[in-house]
Amino acid sequence: EVQLVESGGGLVQPGGSLRLSCATSGFSFSNYWMHWVRQAPGKGLEWVSRINNDEYYTNYADSVEGRFTISRDNAKNILYLQMNSLRAEDTAVYYCARARPSGYDYWGQGTLVTVSS
Amino acid sequence: DIQMTQSPSSLSASVGDRVTITCRASQDLSNSLAWYQQKPGKAPKLLLYATSRLESGVPSRFSGSGSGTDYTLTISSLQPEDFTTYYCQQYYSIPWTFGQGTKVEIK
Repeated sequence: EVQLVESGGGLVQPGGSLRLSCATSGFSFSNYWMHWVRQAPGKGLEWVSRINNDEYYTNYADSVEGRFTISRDNAKNILYLQMNSLRAEDTAVYYCARARPSGYDYWGQGTLVTVSS
Repeated sequence: DIQMTQSPSSLSASVGDRVTITCRASQDLSNSLAWYQQKPGKAPKLLLYATSRLESGVPSRFSGSGSGTDYTLTISSLQPEDFTTYYCQQYYSIPWTFGQGTKVEIK
């Protein structure tokens, strides 16, 4: 069974940092591109970042470029999102998602990040 | 970035009704369009990809159509579990962008 489990969310002050993790199982992690998608409270879905299967290729939304870093550990089957210089507008549920060329077929349950003083 | 305009933002319908949700892209997607269902407090679930291909396990009452910039999700006969929110998404180019969502409510 394919599973993605996010962790690392919480309450952080503006300007602070958090590292999200997405532990995966049930599939060959190193064969898939992985993405982070977020959803602000009561709002729609926003793509955040992606990483290719061997870590050499990453992309970021303009809203997080230069502040967030996506990475992965293919030996441990874990995806990461390092978030620095956090802002109130980064408050959201963050989902990791497994990407096919045709969309996301598996998602984690999400982890809530709240940026507030 | 490709902009996705989804309509309506909400609709009211009854069990058994046929409903249609539309998504318009700011440029040709060459059928690189997916639809997701999201229930409150849960992650989105893939329903259709490549405009009209049904994801494994998804009921056949869900169907998709379209081409170019205009795409449609149709639910042929609404069931109680279908009253929730739906999103379109383009994966033609990065950033993969979503429509604003359509909330299907009980009339």
